Amino acid sequence: GESVGLHLPTLSVQEGDNSIINCAYSNSASDYFIWYKQESGKGPQFIIDIRSNMDKRQGQRVTVLLNKTVKHLSLQIAATQPGDSAVYFCAAANNLFFGTGTRLTVIP
Amino acid sequence: DVKVTQSSRYLVKRTGEKVFLECVQDMDHENMFWYRQDPGLGLRLIYFSYDVKMKEKGDIPEGYSVSREKKERFSLILESASTNQTSMYLCASSSIAAPYEQYFGPGTRLTVT
Repeated sequence: GESVGLHLPTLSVQEGDNSIINCAYSNSASDYFIWYKQESGKGPQFIIDIRSNMDKRQGQRVTVLLNKTVKHLSLQIAATQPGDSAVYFCAAANNLFFGTGTRLTVIP
Repeated sequence: DVKVTQSSRYLVKRTGEKVFLECVQDMDHENMFWYRQDPGLGLRLIYFSYDVKMKEKGDIPEGYSVSREKKERFSLILESASTNQTSMYLCASSSIAAPYEQYFGPGTRLTVT
């Protein structure tokens, strides 16, 4: 079955620095990946997605990179702000399998 | 704005009780989902529905059932609550056009004593 996990359960960054959150997957058939952000006390919120025929996709202050060779994707947040503090999940869309999340803490 | 609402933020029930968790979305989404979220396990899919009166099992359907009588409402039912069903329950919805862009409700924290 699918396995999607995140490399680190926690990540702390200084405000203004860039953040990189990593995710690995096991199923080569996964054709679509999604990143969600979950703030404390709230449900997850869609951030950005990427299809398997892409290597990179950019949004507002966020970039997702997909490396199919090593089955790895990452979410990069530019100029991290206190409001970015949350748990970030990657998910493989073909079976709606979510990883366990990385808790990002932004240090003022 | 898409809005997904859940009937309760916090719920405390006794072992053996029948529990209903309600979810309503106002965006006319075809797809609706129920997840539970536990520390160290992430989100796990319980059931989902692609249409009224239609349901599909997710990864962990045991001990749960669902009902979708109207497009906007998706109910999760615990027939006989057990302590291992203490968890955060999250409902989500999405459209056919963007099925993987799910909109989540705020969650219901259920405690079974």
